[in-house]
Amino acid sequence: AQKVTQAQTEISVVEKEDVTLDCVYETRDTTYYLFWYKQPPSGELVFLIRRNSFDEQNEISGRYSWNFQKSTSSFNFTITASQVVDSAVYFCALSGNAGNQFYFGTGTSLTVIP
Amino acid sequence: EPEVTQTPSHQVTQMGQEVILRCVPISNHLYFYWYRQILGQKVEFLVSFYNNEISEKSEIFDDQFSVERPDGSNFTLKIRSTKLEDSAMYFCASSDREWDTEAFFGQGTRLTVV
Repeated sequence: AQKVTQAQTEISVVEKEDVTLDCVYETRDTTYYLFWYKQPPSGELVFLIRRNSFDEQNEISGRYSWNFQKSTSSFNFTITASQVVDSAVYFCALSGNAGNQFYFGTGTSLTVIP
Repeated sequence: EPEVTQTPSHQVTQMGQEVILRCVPISNHLYFYWYRQILGQKVEFLVSFYNNEISEKSEIFDDQFSVERPDGSNFTLKIRSTKLEDSAMYFCASSDREWDTEAFFGQGTRLTVV
């Protein structure tokens, strides 16, 4: 069974603070893919990153970074120097090799206070 | 940048009525999906579609739902007899291959059943 857990329901930070969004996943597949999507107040889902299970390299893209650790089944997302425009709901998702559907976590609502 | 387009952005319908939600996937993509998000909850998979047939569907996707690719560009979701609990945001998505790829989501159609 595939499952994604985002234990943090809501987070508030003051602008310029760093914030880490946690994601823990469960899967029995040996090959799987992890994703982060951003859902701003306008409602659309914006793709941020994809990682496959064979690639544990951490990734940095501007103020965003991702820490993938298979040993703890985690794929955490850090925003450095947060900005008001980062306010959104962030979803972690998983797809395995037994089907191409995405399993989403319940999302973390991030509010960045100016 | 290519994007997935959904129409309408918001639809209000009476219980028992049929609705058709429309999507134009990214033009060179071959895999198409519908997901839904009940207000404040996580995004849930409904169905995936490839080569003019359903490849996977969830338990949510019962006989009241159907999908169709009526021409080379549109992908539709039909709900035959809407229920109050069908009220949700419906997302269409597409991808260029089955595995190891992100899905690109449309901006969603908010369906309100009254």
